[in-house]
Amino acid sequence: KAGVTQTPRYLIKTRGQQVTLSCSPISGHRSVSWYQQTPGQGLQFLFEYFSETQRNKGNFPGRFSGRQFSNSRSEMNVSTLELGDSALYLCASSEGDTQYFGPGTRLTVL
Amino acid sequence: QKEVEQNSGPLSVPEGAIASLNCTYSDRGSQSFFWYRQYSGKSPELIMSIYSNGDKEDGRFTAQLNKASQYVSLLIRDSQPSDSATYLCAYTQGSGNTGKLIFGQGTTLQVKP
Repeated sequence: KAGVTQTPRYLIKTRGQQVTLSCSPISGHRSVSWYQQTPGQGLQFLFEYFSETQRNKGNFPGRFSGRQFSNSRSEMNVSTLELGDSALYLCASSEGDTQYFGPGTRLTVL
Repeated sequence: QKEVEQNSGPLSVPEGAIASLNCTYSDRGSQSFFWYRQYSGKSPELIMSIYSNGDKEDGRFTAQLNKASQYVSLLIRDSQPSDSATYLCAYTQGSGNTGKLIFGQGTTLQVKP
């Protein structure tokens, strides 16, 4: 099976803009989780979607949102970007509790 | 207190030695435990999962879980330079929370030829 794919791989934005990241899970996986990874905070859970419903949410501001489509593909959106949003954004798909990560999207906010 | 504690390292071992990576966690509701390996600039890659007390072996890797002591470890036998990476310990609380992994900060392992 093909692995988890994420697009785009790299993104440069300026403060105040918004961004949308996309994730396609492993075929057959219905759960998609999103994480933010920074050198200071490590890997932090953003949210999880299962069958188009948000099932879990981490402690991030409302500027961070997501959704999942009927084919299990997921998008996350960050509005009003801040410098501190610069990070590697990872999505992971799972069937059960074992998660497999995509390559990530490196977001740089200038 | 952090939910998952790992020594950030670096842990340096010679090639062929056993590398021992340790992790403690605070949530007694934790049910499933995972070790991921992350090379610099790459995404985490699953190495092992463990769910019950005791040892679980997979090739050169052995995971050990002690729920009473809230402790999980990873042993890497016959360490190779290609094992040099950051090792992340993580857990889920299970039952409705399986999509939420809680990670430690990771331990950097250096295997010297």
